[in-house]
Amino acid sequence: QVHLQESGPGLVKPSQTLSLTCTVSGGSISSGGYYWSWIRQHPGKGLEWIGYIFYSGNTKYNPSLESRLTMSEDTSKNQFSLKLSSVTAADTAVYYCARGRGSGGFDSWGQGILVTVSS
Amino acid sequence: QSVLTQPPSASGSPGQRVTISCSGSSSNIESNCVSWYQQFPATAPKLLIYRCNQRPSGVPDRFSGSKSGTSASLAISGLRSEDEAVYYCAAWDDSLSALIFGGGTKLTVL
Repeated sequence: QVHLQESGPGLVKPSQTLSLTCTVSGGSISSGGYYWSWIRQHPGKGLEWIGYIFYSGNTKYNPSLESRLTMSEDTSKNQFSLKLSSVTAADTAVYYCARGRGSGGFDSWGQGILVTVSS
Repeated sequence: QSVLTQPPSASGSPGQRVTISCSGSSSNIESNCVSWYQQFPATAPKLLIYRCNQRPSGVPDRFSGSKSGTSASLAISGLRSEDEAVYYCAAWDDSLSALIFGGGTKLTVL
């Protein structure tokens, strides 16, 4: 059973860079067929796909965030990461990491981490 | 406003069958399959349906998914109180080149 856990600062100042890491256990991020993803949920709102990274470091980003977004992976630590630059209050959200299946759907999720953008 | 449109709320009595709709367009639902998620307050979403109508292991067969044209539906039969949650649909949009979610439907079990 794969387990995902987000980590990172819960508070980020406006204009700074939000950095989060997802640590995966019970499965390797190097295994094929999965898309290691980030999804966020603004307070009291719906879900927004941020992007994903898959084996060999290929990435696909939500076009609405692409100019500020960088995703990377560290296979030696079985982790993948998110960096979102120039944040504003509109980036305040619960950020989830999740495993996307090649056959569709996100079948494993982290518990989520609330990131607040405030001075 | 989401590209995938869901009713904000739905309700049913225990034992009943409830259907939640997800309306899209030719660039998303008509071209690609839909997945469905269940979310309880302050918890991560859970995958209920993938590839339009497939259930992951462990998901009861009371939950079923279907698609017709530019719309998809999630049906829950034999409704139980523990089904009270928010349900989201999701699909890839070829025009936006992004995965998109519906706005969510809050299901109330009366």
